[in-house]
Amino acid sequence: GESVGLHLPTLSVQEGDNSIINCAYSNSASDYFIWYKQESGKGPQFIIDIRSNMDKRQGQRVTVLLNKTVKHLSLQIAATQPGDSAVYFCAETAENSGYSTLTFGKGTMLLVSP
Amino acid sequence: DTGVSQDPRHKITKRGQNVTFRCDPISEHNRLYWYRQTLGQGPEFLTYFQNEAQLEKSRLLSDRFSAERPKGSFSTLEIQRTEQGDSAMYLCASSPRDPLALSRYFGPGTRLTVL
Repeated sequence: GESVGLHLPTLSVQEGDNSIINCAYSNSASDYFIWYKQESGKGPQFIIDIRSNMDKRQGQRVTVLLNKTVKHLSLQIAATQPGDSAVYFCAETAENSGYSTLTFGKGTMLLVSP
Repeated sequence: DTGVSQDPRHKITKRGQNVTFRCDPISEHNRLYWYRQTLGQGPEFLTYFQNEAQLEKSRLLSDRFSAERPKGSFSTLEIQRTEQGDSAMYLCASSPRDPLALSRYFGPGTRLTVL
């Protein structure tokens, strides 16, 4: 079936750098996307979401970009901090499924060095 | 803490035993979801409730798995005759009544180890 995937399994950055985590999705019907952060031993934590009628959405230190033409999603974290170290998942869902099923990618581990 | 809670946090059992997990969603959230997550993978959808009605079940949910939400509040997930392949983190999530509020809020999960 169609799925969401990530290009980079591990991303290592220095504290203070900006981080970019990428995600490719294949379900062209997907119209709602979420980025989650998951720390070891914890459940996924909502970071930011975006609907398909938007190209960009900003939160506190995070920005999500959506390129529907190439089915690509990215999460930008500004001034990365050691506390940002975690696994990051993108997830997608679609109106034609009633938004009942949220499909996750495999995750990217972000390692932030002090 | 008014977030999603799950109990127990960890469960170790022997193959063939039955286990039951509980999830308490965020108050007033009418939608509840169960997911399973194995190491290094993203969560996989298992089943979904709207109020007390179980509206969708994944093909991953074999006959040994059953979920209930009898009063539309807390939910239980039971696994009968556990197998080693059932070892995973079982995550519960909830979302509000607002149909435009699509994000799921996850609990801390129950880590199941089947020996």
